[in-house]
Amino acid sequence: EAQVTQNPRYLITVTGKKLTVTCSQNMNHEYMSWYRQDPGLGLRQIYYSMNVEVTDKGDVPEGYKVSRKEKRNFPLILESPSPNQTSLYFCASSLQGASYEQYFGPGTRLTVT
Amino acid sequence: ILNVEQSPQSLHVQEGDSTNFTCSFPSSNFYALHWYRWETAKSPEALFVMTLNGDEKKKGRISATLNTKEGYSYLYIKGSQPEDSATYLCASFNQAGTALIFGKGTTLSVSS
Repeated sequence: EAQVTQNPRYLITVTGKKLTVTCSQNMNHEYMSWYRQDPGLGLRQIYYSMNVEVTDKGDVPEGYKVSRKEKRNFPLILESPSPNQTSLYFCASSLQGASYEQYFGPGTRLTVT
Repeated sequence: ILNVEQSPQSLHVQEGDSTNFTCSFPSSNFYALHWYRWETAKSPEALFVMTLNGDEKKKGRISATLNTKEGYSYLYIKGSQPEDSATYLCASFNQAGTALIFGKGTTLSVSS
C-alpha cells in the first residue's frame, strides 16, 4: 500500500530533551516536507527536500533540523524542544516537487512541557 | 511570504444544499493551486491540483475552478452530504516554486 508513515504518533516530552520524529514513504517520491498545524493558523511548512541530500528551509524552520540521506526517509529533529513547539506535525511527500499532489502522513501530536 | 486566504472560515449547511468556498492568492508568479480535504482525526487528502487559467476539475459532486489572472479559485459541492463535513484547504506556491503555502481552511458542517 502506498503510504507515508510517521513515528511516533503521540509524544509528550520535556523542554530541552532532544527528539526525532521519523517519516518514511514507499512511493519513490523525490519531494518531502514537514508541516506544523496550530489552532487558528494554516499548515506551515518547516523544511522541505527536493531530493536526496537537498534540503531547504520553509516558513518556520527555527528550532528544527532535517536530513535526507535516503530517498524514502526524512526525519525531523528537535535538538532542544521548547513549549512553543507543541503542535501537530505532518510529513508529506510528492512525486517531484510542490506542483504535484502531496501525500500526507498520519500526523504526530507533540507536547513539550 | 505568499498570502493565501480562504472564505468563509466556517459554513453550516443542510443535507442536499449546494455550497461553494473561495480561495484567493497572489496572481503574480503563479505555479499551481491545490485543494485538500481534511477530516477530523485524519490527514489531508488531495482533491485537485490545478495549473492553468480557466481550469475546471471535477470529482463526483465536488468541482473546482481556477482564475489565475485575478487570483482566485472556487470549490463547489453539489448536494452536500453529512460525509462531506470536513475542513477544505487550498494551497499555492511561493515565488520560488518549491514550497506550498496553505490557507487556514474552510470548515464545512453538513446536517442531516
